[in-house]
Formats: sequence, C-alpha cells, structure tokens
Amino acid sequence: AQTVTQSQPEMSVQEAETVTLSCTYDTSESDYYLFWYKQPPSRQMILVIRQEAYKQQNATENRFSVNFQKAAKSFSLKISDSQLGDAAMYFCAYTQIQGAQKLVFGQGTRLTINP
Amino acid sequence: DTGVSQNPRHKITKRGQNVTFRCDPISEHNRLYWYRQTLGQGPEFLTYFQNEAQLEKSRLLSDRFSAERPKGSFSTLEIQRTEQGDSAMYLCASSLRQAISGNTIYFGEGSWLTVV
Repeated sequence: AQTVTQSQPEMSVQEAETVTLSCTYDTSESDYYLFWYKQPPSRQMILVIRQEAYKQQNATENRFSVNFQKAAKSFSLKISDSQLGDAAMYFCAYTQIQGAQKLVFGQGTRLTINP
Repeated sequence: DTGVSQNPRHKITKRGQNVTFRCDPISEHNRLYWYRQTLGQGPEFLTYFQNEAQLEKSRLLSDRFSAERPKGSFSTLEIQRTEQGDSAMYLCASSLRQAISGNTIYFGEGSWLTVV
C-alpha cells in the first residue's frame, strides 16, 4: 500500500522569507501524481501544486515550487517570499494514475507565518 | 461554477442517532469522493463514485455507513447508529476524469460531525 509521510508537524517562518516543507512517500508504481494541498483554518482544501512523476522538471506555481526526487521518493514544497495568507495546514498527497485516483495524504504540517 | 457544496456544515448528534450529509459536486464532474478527517490528521479515503456507480469503498466504511449518488449528481453519506468514534469532518471532493492528463480534485468545505 502507498504511504505518505510528513515528518514536520509544525513549521514557522518570518514573513517574506523562504520555508521548505518535507514529504516522503512509498510506492511500487513507476508513474503517479503528487500534490501539495493547503487547508486554512475552517476553510476548504485547496490545491497548491501538482507534479507528474514522469516529468523530470520540478513544478512551479508563482511563489511555490517543489523539489521532486523520484529515486529518493521525496517531494518537498518550497514557499518563497512567505505571506501571512500562507498560514495553514499543508498536506502532501499521492495518487495512482489508473483507477479511482483516490488521494493518500500525509499527516500534515502546520505552517505559521511570523510578521 | 460554485464549487463543491456540502450540507450541513456542522452537526451535533446524540450517540445512536442517524445522520445524513449531502454533497453537491461541481456540475460537470463525473467523479465524487468522500473522505474523513479527524483533528490533526490528513483526510482518509472512504468511497468513490463514477457517475452513479459506487466503484470503491474503504475498509474504514463500516456497515453503518452508506453512500449514494442517484442520477450521478449530488451524493449523500448516511451514518446509522452513530458512535463517538464517528466524530470527524467528512469531506466531499469531485473531479472530471480526463483520459490523458488526469484530473484535479476539488474539495468542499466539509461537514463537521460531533457525536455526544
């Protein structure tokens, strides 16, 4: 079975600085998708960024980028120029290409932004 | 596009009562998922529909849980004879299956259940 592990329950960063959230996963599949989702307090889960495993190039979305290391099964999220609105729970998630494409989530990292 | 809508947002019920949650997915989405999330944890998959067909159920979904998606539109998740361990947020998500590039899954705001 696939598993996703986030080893940092909490992280904090100064506003305008850069922070990296870690994620590792385990799978026997060669092709799959990886995601980072953001869940603000009492708000819905929002997709931040997505990576297809067959793509070697790391995904980037504005201030958000990933470091995808397929051999190491590592998928970290870098947030540059952190803003107060980035404060939230961040979940790393995995899904297979075929079938239901159900998401397997990590335990989450609570990110605090210090003004 | 109004997003994924869930009702009610909060429900407090006594142990042993039945509760039902409703999810209205994004209108053109053919896939619908239910997840359960307890405090401080990531969501866990419960069940999945493609159109009106329920194609997969997690072992987390005991016999007291039933989900339906009549006519492939909205979905309901019913919990019978609720137990305190059922207290959690129930998340609904939907997506449009695309053959080539996969799909993005959109989540609703969740329905909080507290069993007292």
